[in-house]
This record gives sequence, C-alpha cells and structure tokens, in this order.
Amino acid sequence: NAGVTQTPKFQVLKTGQSMTLQCAQDMNHNSMYWYRQDPGMGLRLIYYSASEGTTDKGEVPNGYNVSRLNKREFSLRLESAAPSQTSVYFCASSEASMNTGELFFGEGSRLTVL
Amino acid sequence: AQSVTQPDIHITVSEGASLELRCNYSYGATPYLFWYVQSPGQGLQLLLKYFSGDTLVQGIKGFEAEFKRSQSSFNLRKPSVHWSDAAEYFCAVVHTGGFKTIFGAGTRLFVKA
Repeated sequence: NAGVTQTPKFQVLKTGQSMTLQCAQDMNHNSMYWYRQDPGMGLRLIYYSASEGTTDKGEVPNGYNVSRLNKREFSLRLESAAPSQTSVYFCASSEASMNTGELFFGEGSRLTVL
Repeated sequence: AQSVTQPDIHITVSEGASLELRCNYSYGATPYLFWYVQSPGQGLQLLLKYFSGDTLVQGIKGFEAEFKRSQSSFNLRKPSVHWSDAAEYFCAVVHTGGFKTIFGAGTRLFVKA
C-alpha cells in the first residue's frame, strides 16, 4: 500500500513564485492535514480538512491556501513564496474518529525559498 | 490552549542502556496522547497511543509509555536501546474531536556503541 503520497519531494523557489504541493492517500480516510516542520519547533498545523468539502485553518495558515479536491487528495498552495516558508512540509491523514486520532504521514516535501 | 513540552532537545545513550524520554502536556481534560518516531528523511510513524484505561501502554519496537495524570506526563521508555532506535521522537496530544494534533518540539536520540 502506498499510504500517503506527496509530490514533489524537493523544490527550490525564488521569492514571489507560486507552487502547489500535492498529497493523495489511499486509505479511505476522512481527514487530511498539512504540517510544516522547522528545527526545534516540532510540527505545526497549517490547514486541515476534517472531511471532504471542508477546510479549516490550523496554527500557521498565513501565506497558504488549500483545496480538498476529493476524498483522496488535499493540496497546499503557496501563492507568493517567502523565505520564511522554507521548511519541510508533511501531509497526513486520519480517520479522526474519537477512537483513533492516529495520523499517517507522507515522506515530506522539502521546500527552499531563495 | 493545549501544549506539549519535551524538555530534552537531544539525548545520548549507550547501546543496551535504558531510555526515558520526557513529555509534559497542558490540557483541560483527559487527553489522547501519542508518541511518534521520525527516522532521517522520513515521515512520522506512530509508536504508541493512550486513550483511556491502563496507564501503562505498550507500543511497537519494544517501547512503552506511562500516563501520569497527577504530573501531566506521558514519558516514553525502553529497557534496552538498539542502534536502530536513533531518531527523533515526538510527543503529541489530540485536540478534542480528534481533528487537531499538537506536537512537542521533539527529542533527538543519539545511540553510541
């Protein structure tokens, strides 16, 4: 099973450029998430989608937009990249029922903004 | 607001020695607590979780964790560390409703021969 697949794995952008990170899961999970990971700060939630058709802001949503394209896919868009958005981005999914909450992660997308 | 504190940024232990990684949380109710492990260049993988019941929970790879409500702690332990355990470990708490997981800053474990 592929689990959670993210593309691209690496990307270098110039300040002001735009890009979209793609994420797809094949576990039929209802909820999907985008996190960013920075040294010494753990993972911080950018946006999440509790179910198909809904999206909500997390802790650090500024500068990002998301689209829940269907149950499988959840994309993250940077409209005008800034050096502060240099980070490793992780997509995750979960059943998000009261009995689980376990997150399943992709392998990450490393983004550098020059 | 919920928060998770991992006081140790990094820890070094000898192979075969015991390990304890500390985690404290701030939460208004009984939380759902997790430990995840991240190997270099990889995503996070669940080690174990606590929802309710027995306060000592067993996980994969020989890890266990104990929930102590009085200390707001959920420390991760392993009796004998292997070189392959070198990784970064994250404690996490799930927001009520299960939609928002709050992570600690992580503890990087180094294992020396």
